[in-house]
Amino acid sequence: DGGITQSPKYLFRKEGQNVTLSCEQNLNHDAMYWYRQDPGQGLRLIYYSQIVNDFQKGDIAEGYSVSREKKESFPLTVTSAQKNPTAFYLCASSRGPVGNEQFFGPGTRLTVL
Amino acid sequence: GENVEQHPSTLSVQEGDSAVIKCTYSDSASNYFPWYKQELGKRPQLIIDIRSNVGEKKDQRIAVTLNKTAKHFSLHITETQPEDSAVYFCAAAAFSGNTPLVFGKGTRLSVIA
Repeated sequence: DGGITQSPKYLFRKEGQNVTLSCEQNLNHDAMYWYRQDPGQGLRLIYYSQIVNDFQKGDIAEGYSVSREKKESFPLTVTSAQKNPTAFYLCASSRGPVGNEQFFGPGTRLTVL
Repeated sequence: GENVEQHPSTLSVQEGDSAVIKCTYSDSASNYFPWYKQELGKRPQLIIDIRSNVGEKKDQRIAVTLNKTAKHFSLHITETQPEDSAVYFCAAAAFSGNTPLVFGKGTRLSVIA
């Protein structure tokens, strides 16, 4: 299961604080993605990046921000503007945006108290 | 944009029976259809995928069928085993496009021993 890592596994934050989730891959993949997973909601796309220094909003980008300064890294910041941030967050990567297998990280469970 | 509907949301089968999960999609340009399996507490992993130039693909006990005219595709698991218990996600995308996969909401399969 190596290749794409997320840290930490569990994260607790107080309401009103920004928090950054880490995602790193050593697969030399161009594309990276952030998903939010809630019970019964499937995998909802937050942001994706097809190349370094470029990223696009997904279906539920409000209250989140990302950066892609390095090919290997795609951190996600959950801002205080996100109204319901408690969720399981999955990062993924692929060789290209479409038609290629997406490899997922182990996920980070964020709980906002 | 693409919209993927997945049914049923939950499915229980007796060990040894077959399980079928169905997905429909809306964008006729979609031509790549992967299926991911997510075991409890683990990351989603690709189990099989199909491209629109074929109507069926098999890999041991799992198979996927595609009906482009009706815009639906299905996952078939034969001789189910307890280790098949998991959440299964279908997805769709246009291989020639620059938009990422759109996932269904998932099916929780329980195989009862």
